[in-house]
Amino acid sequence: DTEVTQTPKHLVMGMTNKKSLKCEQHMGHRAMYWYKQKAKKPPELMFVYSYEKLSINESVPSRFSPECPNSSLLNLHLHALQPEDSALYLCASSQDQGGYYGYTFGSGTRLTVV
Amino acid sequence: RKEVEQDPGPFNVPEGATVAFNCTYSNSASQSFFWYRQDCRKEPKLLMSVYSSGNEDGRFTAQLNRASQYISLLIRDSKLSDSATYLCVVNRNQAGTALIFGKGTTLSVSS
Repeated sequence: DTEVTQTPKHLVMGMTNKKSLKCEQHMGHRAMYWYKQKAKKPPELMFVYSYEKLSINESVPSRFSPECPNSSLLNLHLHALQPEDSALYLCASSQDQGGYYGYTFGSGTRLTVV
Repeated sequence: RKEVEQDPGPFNVPEGATVAFNCTYSNSASQSFFWYRQDCRKEPKLLMSVYSSGNEDGRFTAQLNRASQYISLLIRDSKLSDSATYLCVVNRNQAGTALIFGKGTTLSVSS
């Protein structure tokens, strides 16, 4: 299995809603990532988990809350988002946090905040 | 100087053309280099990895010049399906860091 699976593929939520994005990989990778990507921009790093511990938080607002229940799963909990948070949210994984062998990306969740 | 810099383009070429993209990086300790391809509204997909001087895969050739700190991607015999954004990605080779992404170069191949 060489895939990173993300659900849901599309999500529309109101500013008062609470929702979660899910990511799963079964490649035995020890590092997992959340990226946010706006149109015509490169992916922007949000969080990094290495060996199930949060190792990087790129000063992301607290309305985004990551969780790593085990080495295969990564969640991103969303609460009280703003319309400007609408974007493609990408999960990625790699053998090691440094990314020496590159990252494998999931197909993303396209989030719209209304 | 930005950590990874790419010419954003767009590069507009006819089918069959050869096109080259360049990317410069600032961290001389970087050890691994990647070209990712991203189609509109899709996720980035790994196109090529470069660990030494270069790599070739069919119509695609990536070259690494450590002395000048740049990586190039050459696409020969361009196809319509090559139209995409190409992201240059570099590792920092430091504990506790993540890969660095360039802003991407847009390629449009026309018939």
